[in-house]
Amino acid sequence: SYVLTQPPSVSVAPGQTARITCGGNNIGSKSVHWYQQKPGQAPVLVVYDDSDRPSGIPERFSGSNSGNTATLTISRVEAGDEADYYCQVWDSSSDHAGGVFGTGTKVTVL
Amino acid sequence: QVQLVQSGAEVKKPGSSVKVSCKASGGTFSSYAISWVRQAPGQGLEWMGGIIPIFGTANYAQKFQGRVTITTDESTSTAYMELSSLRSEDTAVYYCARGRKQQLVRGPFDYWGQGTLVTVSS
Repeated sequence: SYVLTQPPSVSVAPGQTARITCGGNNIGSKSVHWYQQKPGQAPVLVVYDDSDRPSGIPERFSGSNSGNTATLTISRVEAGDEADYYCQVWDSSSDHAGGVFGTGTKVTVL
Repeated sequence: QVQLVQSGAEVKKPGSSVKVSCKASGGTFSSYAISWVRQAPGQGLEWMGGIIPIFGTANYAQKFQGRVTITTDESTSTAYMELSSLRSEDTAVYYCARGRKQQLVRGPFDYWGQGTLVTVSS
């Protein structure tokens, strides 16, 4: 089955830039989506199709995807960005297609 | 504005089944996929399966094949997820989530229910 690997944690000072990676075999050929999840809440879609943002999501959130790594970038980090972040793709490479989530990254704002 | 409202928390015995509902409002129900995603305590997100109501055929993650059944009732704009042969490892928050794109199960998921805690304990 397809595996998406994320760093367990990323720490960043307010106003700086956080980069969260999502590694997967040839992930550049897939569409990657990113979700933010705060404690006790449902996930929120922050980036879809590698780099598009739903309405209401700040421009500070951006994404890229190439080769074996997709990246979510949070610019000018704010305290409210502290959360868990998950990448997600659809894996149709095997005979049993399905959704796959990354292992998740906890972003801590120092 | 689309809203997904799930049924309340459940406590189940090992070996039993649970059925969680997800009622949609504020949008077109039939054309958008509903997926079910679970999250065990302190763990990550796990996709279980999804269904496009207008087609009625569900896709299931291989891990849950044979143990999960996802259905919809278009007359009430409600999706259901039934998980059988419950074990302690199935203790988790179960979310329903709507696909952003019409007639695609694959995601992204732009609207989520509030989650339903299912506790499996003897």
